[in-house]
Amino acid sequence: QKEVEQNSGPLSVPEGAIASLNCTYSDRGSQSFFWYRQYSGKSPELIMFIYSNGDKEDGRFTAQLNKASQYVSLLIRDSQPSDSATYLCAVNRGSTLGRLYFGRGTQLTVWP
Amino acid sequence: DAGVIQSPRHEVTEMGQEVTLRCKPISGHDYLFWYRQTMMRGLELLIYFNNNVPIDDSGMPEDRFSAKMPNASFSTLKIQPSEPRDSAVYFCASSLLNIVSYEQYFGPGTRLTVT
Repeated sequence: QKEVEQNSGPLSVPEGAIASLNCTYSDRGSQSFFWYRQYSGKSPELIMFIYSNGDKEDGRFTAQLNKASQYVSLLIRDSQPSDSATYLCAVNRGSTLGRLYFGRGTQLTVWP
Repeated sequence: DAGVIQSPRHEVTEMGQEVTLRCKPISGHDYLFWYRQTMMRGLELLIYFNNNVPIDDSGMPEDRFSAKMPNASFSTLKIQPSEPRDSAVYFCASSLLNIVSYEQYFGPGTRLTVT
């Protein structure tokens, strides 16, 4: 079982819709959870992190964490074509300070 | 701050040649990571350093790969000899340990093509 699993997609949504990206992780000791966005040909950049159960909102982005189900999600409201990118879920395990475990990413396309 | 700096940005080399990739982390960061990204395998961690000391090199694919961090502001990833299957984008990232957030800042990457 991989440390972090994501649906590879591609996920395609119309402009203005809600895009939902999902991620599961295998280590129950995981402490911090991250969503990175990677545009084609660019490097990953952090858009959100969450470490407590529940929701965390930042503008159009909401991260949701359910540690009991070992599940993290990212919701993008009012999706824009500029949100089209690959979204990488990353997890920090408490036993390995500093290191992040990345999923394969979900490719999102927002069409006008 | 200039962010993480990598050089070269593009490298094209012939099979069997030595390749050296360079990275300058963000000043003050105590972790440095080398990743490789391909369509087939996604983003793979090759090796990471803490305070210039290698912590985990289990992701280094073969003995042909080696990495060094002689000081806090410089690291190299060397492939010798290179093979076509090494073609990928290699990212360097750095971070500052924080109990809550382990945000990693990525460099622009080096696109390596081995023919």
